[in-house]
Amino acid sequence: NAGVTQTPKFQVLKTGQSMTLQCAQDMNHNSMYWYRQDPGMGLRLIYYSASEGTTDKGEVPNGYNVSRLNKREFSLRLESAAPSQTSVYFCAIADATNEKLFFGSGTQLSVL
Amino acid sequence: SQKIEQNSEALNIQEGKTATLTCNYTNYSPAYLQWYRQDPGRGPVFLLLIRENEKEKRKERLKVTFDTTLKQSLFHITASQPADSATYLCALDASGTGFQKLVFGTGTRLLVSP
Repeated sequence: NAGVTQTPKFQVLKTGQSMTLQCAQDMNHNSMYWYRQDPGMGLRLIYYSASEGTTDKGEVPNGYNVSRLNKREFSLRLESAAPSQTSVYFCAIADATNEKLFFGSGTQLSVL
Repeated sequence: SQKIEQNSEALNIQEGKTATLTCNYTNYSPAYLQWYRQDPGRGPVFLLLIRENEKEKRKERLKVTFDTTLKQSLFHITASQPADSATYLCALDASGTGFQKLVFGTGTRLLVSP
């Protein structure tokens, strides 16, 4: 998954705690995405950013906020974590032709 | 309702055989469909994209077909190898306006035995 770096790789939170998942790319692409992946469900889009300075809601945005800090970085914040947010989170970027997504290696989050 | 379906049961095949995975969809008219490979603990990796006006696409041992009448895509791996063992995801463009409307299937796990 070269080019898209996610931190942390693992995190355990208690209900109500907050945290920020970080994503950085070195491929100089405009569009960045945050997905969650749950067993028995396909990847679902949480938020996306078509370009620096813009963000939009995806399919499942409730309980999350995002920041497109600059062209390289797109962060996902959980203000008050809930057990339903236990999931694997992936950041992705679209290539310049918009024909493929490059994914990071994911963050496994458990909310107790 | 709109659905994209992949066989949730794992596909077990012997090395050297052709693996065929299926992706069916309903109530979508995608401009294209993609296939990704996902290994445990890793993010998906893009394999192939096929457009609505293309019947078939090949890349090395991979072949994808797209039948917009049947609303189905088939993903073939010929001369399969144990290293091909992974989960394969299909994804379709639900709106034609970009990846913000990309819909993923749940994936099919492929196990290739030596």
